Amino acid sequence: DAGVIQSPRHEVTEMGQEVTLRCKPISGHNSLFWYRQTMMRGLELLIYFNNNVPIDDSGMPEDRFSAKMPNASFSTLKIQPSEPRDSAVYFCASSNRGDNSPLHFGNGTRLTVT
Amino acid sequence: QKEVEQNSGPLSVPEGAIASLNCTYSDRGSQSFFWYRQYSGKSPELIMFIYSNGDKEDGRFTAQLNKASQYVSLLIRDSQPSDSATYLCAGNFGNEKLTFGTGTRLTIIP
Repeated sequence: DAGVIQSPRHEVTEMGQEVTLRCKPISGHNSLFWYRQTMMRGLELLIYFNNNVPIDDSGMPEDRFSAKMPNASFSTLKIQPSEPRDSAVYFCASSNRGDNSPLHFGNGTRLTVT
Repeated sequence: QKEVEQNSGPLSVPEGAIASLNCTYSDRGSQSFFWYRQYSGKSPELIMFIYSNGDKEDGRFTAQLNKASQYVSLLIRDSQPSDSATYLCAGNFGNEKLTFGTGTRLTIIP
């Protein structure tokens, strides 16, 4: 089991640049979640997909954020244009669908926008 | 707004003692709860989940759920320095997505 794979592990970019974060969920999992973690706000759900379909994007902070899941093994989270307040650790997680199914997290992408 | 509340700590416990971590939630319709452990700079990892009232034990860990009082707790017996981490409580409120508390930082003192 390779686990949830995220890339890159670290991203440093300048304000105004486009940032793309990538995620490969665990094979066989049909739900995928994007979370953002900061010291002030903790873990916040941005968006989640079920069977590649976006189910709830109410946590996406602004139109600058977008997420796609073109197939069962790949998802992207894009920020365009990036701002310093977007600096955070972004986690992708996957699970089997079901209310009692635990989330399995990737190692995260630490984003710094200067 | 469904919320999960935790005391941010830090909570300091002597090695070998019992560490008690608590979490309250605002929605009586909650289905299940999860405890995650997160070491500094790492991703959250699942410790336990519980969805029935009462206690659930797994090794040195015991999760307790009281739906009437809307709280869930995690007890760690025989605390070890390796238990030092941030513990995140998360609730599933029937819509598949987890709502996390802000976490409690636990330090085990040798």
